[in-house]
Amino acid sequence: SQQGEEDPQALSIQEGENATMNCSYKTSINNLQWYRQNSGRGLVHLILIRSNEREKHSGRLRVTLDTSKKSSSLLITASRAADTASYFCAKGGYGGATNKLIFGTGTLLAVQP
Amino acid sequence: DTAVSQTPKYLVTQMGNDKSIKCEQNLGHDTMYWYKQDSKKFLKIMFSYNNKELIINETVPNRFSPKSPDKAHLNLHINSLELGDSAVYFCASSQEGGWNSPLHFGNGTRLTVT
Repeated sequence: SQQGEEDPQALSIQEGENATMNCSYKTSINNLQWYRQNSGRGLVHLILIRSNEREKHSGRLRVTLDTSKKSSSLLITASRAADTASYFCAKGGYGGATNKLIFGTGTLLAVQP
Repeated sequence: DTAVSQTPKYLVTQMGNDKSIKCEQNLGHDTMYWYKQDSKKFLKIMFSYNNKELIINETVPNRFSPKSPDKAHLNLHINSLELGDSAVYFCASSQEGGWNSPLHFGNGTRLTVT
């Protein structure tokens, strides 16, 4: 089965509300990355959190990592209509150059103005 | 300036044809990739090159052949196109291996095989 499964699959909120997306994985990771994909565009990297880190912030984004539960969450505070996009987590494992970044199935976030 | 650019943006072709997608990055990265995104938005790696050398070759039909003339370019040639090849293909690059550093993606090539 795939690593990096997101939950929920879809989320609809009002502008100004917070949005939380979760990501679970099965095997140990070196790092976990979050990406955003706007419709018809490529993925844009948001945050990389390493396995020895518990929390990282970037502007209105907050990512947490719980390695004991093999899960991560992405919180977007004070959401805006422009945050409407798909959000993906991706797991980076160990093992060097032949290791792959494995993407999850994504959460589709719709922020209503 | 676009960091990772791929052409064409749209590609519509018939079954059995051969087509190519080109990718260039101006970030000075050592590693480049091809990813395939299906209709359910699932993103799967196809190939990875580091300094023109093939590093990762997933279980992709050998109708798909990547070529890296230099570390700034990674092209994808597809022979004998099939209906199931319809998808969005993304080129990406990273400074180190993508398992350890952020990926920078192009805007994708939407391939439709009829």
